[in-house]
Amino acid sequence: DTGVTQSPTHLIKTRGQQVTLRCSPISGHKSVSWYQQVLGQGPQFIFQYYEKEERGRGNFPDRFSARQFPNYSSELNVNALLLGDSALYLCASSSTGYEQYFGPGTRLTVT
Amino acid sequence: GIQVEQSPPDLILQEGANSTLRCNFSDSVNNLQWFHQNPWGQLINLFYIPSGTKQNGRLSATTVATERYSLLYISSSQTTDSGVYFCAVSSNDYKLSFGAGTTVTVRA
Repeated sequence: DTGVTQSPTHLIKTRGQQVTLRCSPISGHKSVSWYQQVLGQGPQFIFQYYEKEERGRGNFPDRFSARQFPNYSSELNVNALLLGDSALYLCASSSTGYEQYFGPGTRLTVT
Repeated sequence: GIQVEQSPPDLILQEGANSTLRCNFSDSVNNLQWFHQNPWGQLINLFYIPSGTKQNGRLSATTVATERYSLLYISSSQTTDSGVYFCAVSSNDYKLSFGAGTTVTVRA
């Protein structure tokens, strides 16, 4: 079975730009969550979607938004990028919303 | 939100040694997972263990939910066990709250 996939693997953007990250969950999983991991820290929760509806949101500004599509894949959008948005962005999928399986991540660098 | 503390922050082992990693959490939980983060950043699932004891090869884990802690045991450590180990929990919602991790270095 294919695990969680994310694209792109790496991304370099300039301050003020916008970025879209993509995630495909494990087949059969209806829940997708997004996490941000800054170097040296544990991941921080951004969003969870279940059956295409937002089920939870972490303490992130409105510049961060996400959506889930009918095939359960998801996109994370970040507008007006700041240097502090440089991080590893992790996507996780779950069949129930509880036990979560993570993808390889997208490493975003903002210059 | 729920607080998660992991100890020790760093652990250096000789190959073949045994070790115990600890995770304390501040509230009752309905989900607790242990992960190993590889050098490329991917989080590898080790255990889903909101309570009880599980074993998988040289790794085992125990969660005592009533006392709000979990332990991860690594036996006969190998160099491939090196990396960062995270404990993550969720309470009455679905978001995982992570600890700061334990960095394990296994020397040959």
